[in-house]
Amino acid sequence: GAGVSQSPRYKVTKRGQDVALRCDPISGHVSLYWYRQALGQGPEFLTYFNYEAQQDKSGLPNDRFSAERPEGSISTLTIQRTEQRDSAMYRCASSPVGQETQYFGPGTRLLVL
Amino acid sequence: QKEVEQDPGPLSVPEGAIVSLNCTYSNSAFQYFMWYRQYSRKGPELLMYTYSSGNKEDGRFTAQVDKSSKYISLFIRDSQPSDSATYLCAMKRTSYGKLTFGQGTILTVHP
Repeated sequence: GAGVSQSPRYKVTKRGQDVALRCDPISGHVSLYWYRQALGQGPEFLTYFNYEAQQDKSGLPNDRFSAERPEGSISTLTIQRTEQRDSAMYRCASSPVGQETQYFGPGTRLLVL
Repeated sequence: QKEVEQDPGPLSVPEGAIVSLNCTYSNSAFQYFMWYRQYSRKGPELLMYTYSSGNKEDGRFTAQVDKSSKYISLFIRDSQPSDSATYLCAMKRTSYGKLTFGQGTILTVHP
């Protein structure tokens, strides 16, 4: 079956603009996670949802970052007033109920000029 | 100090060698331990998963967890050029929730 998909795959934006990154999890997966991965580093947790409820947002760096999953399926990570330091690979992962493993998508590469 | 430490390498070995990859961690609450493989320009894919201490074997791969030492390992036997990738250890406290990753070790297996 289809894996986790993310769009866009690449996003170039100017400093100060808002961006919205989309994640479409594997069908039926209850949990959805957002991570950020800098070059040469492992993914770093941002936030996660069970169904539509945001369970943990402790990894969001500041209040410019927000995420939602209104219908318990697709999720959007929004970064307002982007800064150059926001440039990174943003990865989404999902997992089914009762499973500890997370399945990752291909990521969205964000470049803030 | 990071919660999970992993030597970034790079590590270069000849085909057929046994590879040992390791991570140490500081949070004794971690219970679930994973190894992910990440090819260039791709997302991490799960390779091995272990709950608590012990060994787990899957084909050429063996994962070991020593909670008393806060140390986990991944062994690759008869390494192949197709094993060339970045290997990430990851762990978490509960069955759900966030993964905490190591930095990743870059492995190259040359023919």
